Amino acid sequence: RKEVEQDPGPFNVPEGATVAFNCTYSNSASQSFFWYRQDCRKEPKLLMSVYSSGNEDGRFTAQLNRASQYISLLIRDSKLSDSATYLCAVNTGFQKLVFGTGTRLLVSP
Amino acid sequence: EAQVTQNPRYLITVTGKKLTVTCSQNMNHEYMSWYRQDPGLGLRQIYYSMNVEVTDKGDVPEGYKVSRKEKRNFPLILESPSPNQTSLYFCASKFGAGVYEQYFGPGTRLTVT
Repeated sequence: RKEVEQDPGPFNVPEGATVAFNCTYSNSASQSFFWYRQDCRKEPKLLMSVYSSGNEDGRFTAQLNRASQYISLLIRDSKLSDSATYLCAVNTGFQKLVFGTGTRLLVSP
Repeated sequence: EAQVTQNPRYLITVTGKKLTVTCSQNMNHEYMSWYRQDPGLGLRQIYYSMNVEVTDKGDVPEGYKVSRKEKRNFPLILESPSPNQTSLYFCASKFGAGVYEQYFGPGTRLTVT
């Protein structure tokens, strides 16, 4: 089983839609969690950290479910500019940040 | 401007010809690492460094070398590149080994023929 798994998508949604992605992780000792955004073949950029209590940043909400070992990212009121690949990353505690393969989102007019 | 820079951005080379990809950061970060990104495999860590003269293997270190002689620089060396090292490479840095935001360089697209 992969350490971090994501549905590759693509998720095709119209503008204004709400879309959610999940990311599962296998190491129950994982300590910290992140969502990164990557535009086509450019560098990943941190979108948000994921806290135990969940956190929100504008249209984006991240949640952590330790019992089921997954994190989620919810995007409300999708914009065309949200089209990108979303990578989850999990710090396993061994000085290593493990990335998922990414979920591609396409927002159409 | 706080940034991670990589050079070259694009490189086409031949099997066996030694090459170095440079990485530099201006944020005084202690922790630096190299990743390669391949379709369907995602980002995989090649090597990381927790400080000057301290380096360690990541998940896919075979065929690569690194050095960390100065805090700001972390070059990736391919002594004898092979076609299976054709990939998109990212250098990254963060303040320390703990839970800090990781900043990525713009990437180096390497093709080995």
